[in-house]
Amino acid sequence: GIQVEQSPPDLILQEGANSTLRCNFSDSVNNLQWFHQNPWGQLINLFYIPSGTKQNGRLSATTVATERYSLLYISSSQTTDSGVYFCAVSPSKIIFGSGTRLSIRP
Amino acid sequence: GAGVSQSPSNKVTEKGKDVELRCDPISGHTALYWYRQSLGQGLEFLIYFQGNSAPDKSGLPSDRFSAERTGGSVSTLTIQRTQQEDSAVYLCATQLNGGASDTQYFGPGTRLTVL
Repeated sequence: GIQVEQSPPDLILQEGANSTLRCNFSDSVNNLQWFHQNPWGQLINLFYIPSGTKQNGRLSATTVATERYSLLYISSSQTTDSGVYFCAVSPSKIIFGSGTRLSIRP
Repeated sequence: GAGVSQSPSNKVTEKGKDVELRCDPISGHTALYWYRQSLGQGLEFLIYFQGNSAPDKSGLPSDRFSAERTGGSVSTLTIQRTQQEDSAVYLCATQLNGGASDTQYFGPGTRLTVL
């Protein structure tokens, strides 16, 4: 089945720093989503982005479907950005990567 | 309701007992997913419902796990003869139509601990 790999697995940054999270997938997909799981466990959808680039405030995402990767950019990070970021892809059923754990220190 | 709700929020049970977890989707959402998240791990797909039918139940780890959905609404995930390795957070997510571009909305999860 399709493999989804996220990197880095862990990231610790100071408040105000920028970060780039990567998601590689092993096969063609028709859906790619980025999620944030806050420290209390709640999962929130950030982007639906099977291709192209989208921006929402300090967050943006780019998917290059032909090269089978997606990037999530977080600029001017805040402590509330801490948590785990998952990408999820679906050729059919939705497959989640193992996530990037982001810790923003004040 | 305003969001996806799950009950109970926490469940502690003894090995060998059966448990039933409930998911109440957002009203009108036809697609419903169950996932399992072990401590510090990613999400493991269990089963997908479109309406009351389950076109994909390939993620159920064993025949001790079953799920049903009635009235295109509430879903229950049942684990029989629980084992310690079943301990995890069980998450439910729903989509309006289940299409590839639909946003998934997650419930808060049920934390299951098998002693």
